[in-house]
Amino acid sequence: DTGVSQNPRHKITKRGQNVTFRCDPISEHNRLYWYRQTLGQGPEFLTYFQNEAQLEKSRLLSDRFSAERPKGSFSTLEIQRTEQGDSAMYLCASSLADHTDTQYFGPGTRLTVL
Amino acid sequence: KNQVEQSPQSLIILEGKNCTLQCNYTVSPFSNLRWYKQDTGRGPVSLTIMTFSENTKSNGRYTATLDADTKQSSLHITASQLSDSASYICVVSPTGGSYIPTFGRGTSLIVHP
Repeated sequence: DTGVSQNPRHKITKRGQNVTFRCDPISEHNRLYWYRQTLGQGPEFLTYFQNEAQLEKSRLLSDRFSAERPKGSFSTLEIQRTEQGDSAMYLCASSLADHTDTQYFGPGTRLTVL
Repeated sequence: KNQVEQSPQSLIILEGKNCTLQCNYTVSPFSNLRWYKQDTGRGPVSLTIMTFSENTKSNGRYTATLDADTKQSSLHITASQLSDSASYICVVSPTGGSYIPTFGRGTSLIVHP
């Protein structure tokens, strides 16, 4: 399977714990995006990378959230001191910086904070 | 502020019927407009993509239209199938420096047998 993969698919944690999610993009894609989606809403942009550089970050993103893409391939999203409001689906997408820039999404990581 | 508004919020139709979903946006200038299908618990999958100069784009039973003057797009589904039950999301990408697309909340479509 050469699509975008995300791990884990589901994560249940207690409030105050740290969690880390991983995204493996399509191999030739140089752009990688993280989104958060809650029930009944469209995806909400969190941050985006071009290669290893983090180029944009949502102003709504708490400083408890950090993302890395150290070698320009896979990316990790860490949430520190989780809160119940962090419960959501976390989606990763990748794209090739061409004229369409179509984003291909992974299956998401469902986070539940108890 | 860039916004994408979709209507209706939800829609129930019988299998075999046609339906049309609407998308109004304020993103300007924009690079392209996409429609995605998102099955429950899955990531969105691209259906169509249109640049500002295109009026219509088809993908099988899905046909998207775009009126860049009125900033409106529609997604028409012909001869609906049970597998069309999903959320359909309109996404508009800007030009000029930012690559951050604006997503609508989606229209939840349920197709009944």
